[in-house]
Amino acid sequence: EPEVTQTPSHQVTQMGQEVILRCVPISNHLYFYWYRQILGQKVEFLVSFYNNEISEKSEIFDDQFSVERPDGSNFTLKIRSTKLEDSAMYFCASSWGLAGGPRTDTQYFGPGTRLTVL
Amino acid sequence: GQQLNQSPQSMFIQEGEDVSMNCTSSSIFNTWLWYKQDPGEGPVLLIALYKAGELTSNGRLTAQFGITRKDSFLNISASIPSDVGIYFCAGRTGGSEKLVFGKGMKLTVNP
Repeated sequence: EPEVTQTPSHQVTQMGQEVILRCVPISNHLYFYWYRQILGQKVEFLVSFYNNEISEKSEIFDDQFSVERPDGSNFTLKIRSTKLEDSAMYFCASSWGLAGGPRTDTQYFGPGTRLTVL
Repeated sequence: GQQLNQSPQSMFIQEGEDVSMNCTSSSIFNTWLWYKQDPGEGPVLLIALYKAGELTSNGRLTAQFGITRKDSFLNISASIPSDVGIYFCAGRTGGSEKLVFGKGMKLTVNP
């Protein structure tokens, strides 16, 4: 069964450093998402991406965050200058839909990248 | 912003027992989803609901989309040890891409 994959599984970085988290969504999906989950808390939406642009973002997704689909398979989340409070699990998700048409709401999640900022 | 109130926060049950959990919201949702998360892993979709009143089963799991579109419940029947984990409800409102998650229900099943 197709699945969302994420690399690395665990990333440790120093405060102020840039990190790039990588995701390979399910191949025929058109909508891509990033969520994060601080330890012991609920999953929170960061951003959605469709047709090579951000379609929605939360207040968490400030200027230090950016997303990119650099090729036909990868979807990345960049944190420009990490802070201690960025430590969390970051989940990529994808969902299917027809370009410009209806889509399913079912979002499939990857296994996550645990980001630790020291 | 939208919030989902998920209850209970945790349950300790014996193997073989049934368990129910629910989510409520002050907002109307167009979609309700139920996910299970094991430690250190991503949420795994259990059941997706798209219409008010919809009742859907997946093996021992049954979920319903409330008539008011502001609530949903998930039942697990005849629990087994591998049902252990955290169960999240999630919803999507019209006009928004994002899923709003509940705080989760931690299930412990004693063999």
